[in-house]
Amino acid sequence: DTAVSQTPKYLVTQMGNDKSIKCEQNLGHDTMYWYKQDSKKFLKIMFSYNNKELIINETVPNRFSPKSPDKAHLNLHINSLELGDSAVYFCASSQTRGIHGYTFGSGTRLTVV
Amino acid sequence: DAKTTQPNSMESNEEEPVHLPCNHSTISGTDYIHWYRQLPSQGPEYVIHGLTSNVNNRMASLAIAEDRKSSTLILHRATLRDAAVYYCILIEGAQKLVFGQGTRLTINP
Repeated sequence: DTAVSQTPKYLVTQMGNDKSIKCEQNLGHDTMYWYKQDSKKFLKIMFSYNNKELIINETVPNRFSPKSPDKAHLNLHINSLELGDSAVYFCASSQTRGIHGYTFGSGTRLTVV
Repeated sequence: DAKTTQPNSMESNEEEPVHLPCNHSTISGTDYIHWYRQLPSQGPEYVIHGLTSNVNNRMASLAIAEDRKSSTLILHRATLRDAAVYYCILIEGAQKLVFGQGTRLTINP
């Protein structure tokens, strides 16, 4: 199926650990994004890559580091996890400016204990 | 980013039409109007978008005011599966969707 797929779907980890979330899209889009949805359900953009180049980097702690090995993949690595990092992380993709729509993954629910 | 204003919540009955309003009085000439929805425990889902003219697709219709300062998402015959948070978003090419609070739509059986 054509889609944006994220792994893992659920991630429970202890404070201080390092973890990664992976995202892949097979839609042929050239731009990918990471969004964070906190407990209050607000969706905020974190990063965006266009053809492997970082184009959006919102105010996000340095502990978060995105990596895009190719335009179909965008991974998110988080160092020294904190309780406040608990949230649902959504990956998305679009063609260039996204004027014709974004496609979102189903999310990764991260719980830091 | 251009702002949108939506009611926090709306309620409708199954099989009836639903009109979800959105105000965007500061819209610029190059802003596209997008609607997304988020069903419980799922990622946001694209619904429809438009620039100046009304648009129809298999999911919904988008009615855009002549001055473009407001728009309405129309679900012609709501089902229980349409219960979701609906977001009206303006995209100008900044390559990012900026989500507001959205409208929580409840559908009564």
